[in-house]
Amino acid sequence: EAGVAQSPRYKIIEKRQSVAFWCNPISGHATLYWYQQILGQGPKLLIQFQNNGVVDDSQLPKDRFSAERLKGVDSTLKIQPAKLEDSAVYLCASSSLPGQGLYEQYFGPGTRLTVT
Amino acid sequence: GNSVTQMEGPVTLSEEAFLTINCTYTATGYPSLFWYVQYPGEGLQLLLKATKADDKGSNKGFEATYRKETTSFHLEKGSVQVSDSAVYFCALRIQGGSEKLVFGKGTKLTVNP
Repeated sequence: EAGVAQSPRYKIIEKRQSVAFWCNPISGHATLYWYQQILGQGPKLLIQFQNNGVVDDSQLPKDRFSAERLKGVDSTLKIQPAKLEDSAVYLCASSSLPGQGLYEQYFGPGTRLTVT
Repeated sequence: GNSVTQMEGPVTLSEEAFLTINCTYTATGYPSLFWYVQYPGEGLQLLLKATKADDKGSNKGFEATYRKETTSFHLEKGSVQVSDSAVYFCALRIQGGSEKLVFGKGTKLTVNP
């Protein structure tokens, strides 16, 4: 079974530029998560989708971050404009619905963003 | 609120030494508890989990017991190997909520031959 795919793996941009990250979850997984992992800290949830609806975006900085999951499969996370403090690894994870078999979150390899 | 506190690293051990990484939690609901591992250059992988009090999760020689009375989920391994060098994250998930994971800051383990 293919895992969670993310691209790009690395991105370097200047502050005030925009950037987009892509995630393809495990086939059949209804729930998709985006986490931000700043160096030396644990991942923090930015947004959670169930199918193509938002379940939790309470920690998403909505003035600059946006995310979508059209058709309930792939997802894109965008930052515009980027700030220095956005430098982090952005992790995508997916899971099946509660009660549907092995209900665990599976993580992709992440995208390392450096803002200069 | 919900939070996880891990012992600060880095932790450096010799091969075959005993490992303990402490983890305590605060939760408003009834959590499931997890340990994730992140090997160099790789994504997070689930190492083990426990879903109710007194449950013991185990995998690859690692163990952790869900202690509700002390709100703890300490990770242990009797004899570490060089290949165990990684960053370990303790996490909780509140059942019946949004199901998001709340992570600790991580503990970096280095095992020397």
